[in-house]
Amino acid sequence: GIQVEQSPPDLILQEGANSTLRCNFSDSVNNLQWFHQNPWGQLINLFYIPSGTKQNGRLSATTVATERYSLLYISSSQTTDSGVYFCAVHSSGTYKYIFGTGTRLKVLA
Amino acid sequence: DSGVTQTPKHLITATGQRVTLRCSPRSGDLSVYWYQQSLDQGLQFLIQYYNGEERAKGNILERFSAQQFPDLHSELNLSSLELGDSALYFCASSVAPGGNNEQFFGPGTRLTVL
Repeated sequence: GIQVEQSPPDLILQEGANSTLRCNFSDSVNNLQWFHQNPWGQLINLFYIPSGTKQNGRLSATTVATERYSLLYISSSQTTDSGVYFCAVHSSGTYKYIFGTGTRLKVLA
Repeated sequence: DSGVTQTPKHLITATGQRVTLRCSPRSGDLSVYWYQQSLDQGLQFLIQYYNGEERAKGNILERFSAQQFPDLHSELNLSSLELGDSALYFCASSVAPGGNNEQFFGPGTRLTVL
C-alpha cells in the first residue's frame, strides 16, 4: 500500500522563526490534506491541496503531485503553532485514507 | 469548530465491555469516516460510510462495527474491549464519498480501557 513519510519527526523553534515541513508519498494520490493537532488533541484543517500552492496567513502549502511530495511552510512562528502536523492522502484507485506519522513542533517563547 | 460533533468526549470502561461512540456529521455532509489514534499505531482509518452504505474499510477489527443511520449520524460499536483499544477515536465527514473531498474532523472520543 501507499506509504506516507513526514520529516522532520520533531522540530523546536524560537518564536518568530520560519520552518518547512515535508510530506512524501509513494504512489499517486487524488487528495492531500494538512492538519494541525493542537495540544488538546483537536485536528484542525489547514489545507486541502491535492496539487498547486495555497496560502492562509502565515501558513502556505505546495503539493507537487508528479514528484509525490507536499511542503507546509510556517512563517513567523508563534507558541500557538505548537502541536503535531499531519499530512493525509487518499490513494488513487482506493477509498482508503493514509495519515503520515506527523511532525511534532514546539515553539518556544 | 468543524461542525462535526462526537459524544461522549471521554469514556472509561473495563476489559471485556462494549461501548458505542456517536458522531453527527456537518450539515449537508453525506459521508462519515472513523479513525483510531493510538500512541503506537498513529492515526488509522477504520471505516467509511456514505448515505447509509459502507463505502470503504481500513484496519477495523472484527470486534468493531459501525453503521450510518437515515438521519446520517453514525455509531461505532466496540466490543470485547482490550487494553490495547484505549485510544482517541475520531469521526470525520465530507460532502461526498470520493477521495477528492475535504474531510472535517470532530473533537474525538477518548476511550480508556482499564
